Amino acid sequence: TQLLEQSPQFLSIQEGENLTVYCNSSSVFSSLQWYRQEPGEGPVLLVTVVTGGEVKKLKRLTFQFGDARKDSSLHITAAQPGDTGLYLCAGRGAQKLVFGQGTRLTINP
Amino acid sequence: EPEVTQTPSHQVTQMGQEVILRCVPISNHLYFYWYRQILGQKVEFLVSFYNNEISEKSEIFDDQFSVERPDGSNFTLKIRSTKLEDSAMYFCASTVDQGANEKLFFGSGTQLSVL
Repeated sequence: TQLLEQSPQFLSIQEGENLTVYCNSSSVFSSLQWYRQEPGEGPVLLVTVVTGGEVKKLKRLTFQFGDARKDSSLHITAAQPGDTGLYLCAGRGAQKLVFGQGTRLTINP
Repeated sequence: EPEVTQTPSHQVTQMGQEVILRCVPISNHLYFYWYRQILGQKVEFLVSFYNNEISEKSEIFDDQFSVERPDGSNFTLKIRSTKLEDSAMYFCASTVDQGANEKLFFGSGTQLSVL
């Protein structure tokens, strides 16, 4: 069974600080995606990383796929209150996505 | 931007009753999915559907569950005899193409409460 563990589960920081969220597995995935989920809504795709060692940037968000394609990280620079939300990583299995349990991020003004 | 539409947004039912959750995927998409999320827990895969048949299903998707694409637009999840533990947010998702670079679009979900 493929499992993804995210850490930390909860993170509360001040506006302007930097943060990193981690997504780890013992399994290799063909790709890894990061989603953001708002209360009462479905997950919305932020980025897909495919190649081991790949780094993608989305404004202040930097996503990295581990060399062995088993882990990933999301780094946010100068966090803003608008970044508050639930961040999910998901690994691509054969016919489905396997989700981590999420990191609930709160950015305090 | 096109979106996946789910109805109803909330469904309350009595244990043992049948429920049908409805989804309208994005029109040119070919792969369809149901996921669920129990409150406070991770999003879990239920079933994938392609070319009018199930591609893969999880252990959760037992004989009480079924999916159907009755026409060219709707994709339904039926729970034949609901249990208390079926209470969850159910998400429909679709994508035009599978693979490492697929982009999955999720609906806003149906919150199912079994009493």
